[in-house]
Amino acid sequence: DAKTTQPTSMDCAEGRAANLPCNHSTISGNEYVYWYRQIHSQGPQYIIHGLKNNETNEMASLIITEDRKSSTLILPHATLRDTAVYYCIVRPPNTGNQFYFGTGTSLTVIP
Amino acid sequence: NAGVTQTPKFQVLKTGQSMTLQCAQDMNHNSMYWYRQDPGMGLRLIYYSASEGTTDKGEVPNGYNVSRLNKREFSLRLESAAPSQTSVYFCASSEALRAAGVQETQYFGPGTRLLVL
Repeated sequence: DAKTTQPTSMDCAEGRAANLPCNHSTISGNEYVYWYRQIHSQGPQYIIHGLKNNETNEMASLIITEDRKSSTLILPHATLRDTAVYYCIVRPPNTGNQFYFGTGTSLTVIP
Repeated sequence: NAGVTQTPKFQVLKTGQSMTLQCAQDMNHNSMYWYRQDPGMGLRLIYYSASEGTTDKGEVPNGYNVSRLNKREFSLRLESAAPSQTSVYFCASSEALRAAGVQETQYFGPGTRLLVL
């Protein structure tokens, strides 16, 4: 069962920040929020993950609200190569060991 | 490091034929996974292997078998292919498989595109 809600699609101008929202209102206290992306015809690529605090790496920043019911992935300076489907993942309890990818947000970076 | 590699990249089968999809990782990861992705859908777990010598069913195991040949390699076999198995198959690996609630980052291969006629 899906535990996250993401917009189906978004556009972003090249060079601007892309802010991708995700709602996960039923998240449990020990569940991490993961973000992956999938560029057309390629395997999913890990971006970032977090539990409570905001996180930043060379690819993106992850902002998690204080109540942990939602988060935002930020690509600070979007490029055309960032056009992809972005998946926000929270693993539900008692479901074994898989990542439920859902359908994600299709981000199109516009020149 | 090549990461996760998969062979073949493309395959066309006739209904009833068998084939094995190969996956290997060079990151010394303990856990490996097989997913399938149908058009316009997310990934669904077929089987996984928490460690060498163990395998377990995922969400959609019917019609598939797996073998964890060694720590590096995890193969997926279709004994009698059906058109419903037309999909893109992704292999992934992670350092370890931990208790529920503790995530491990998974790293994915480039995929195998399978068409069953």
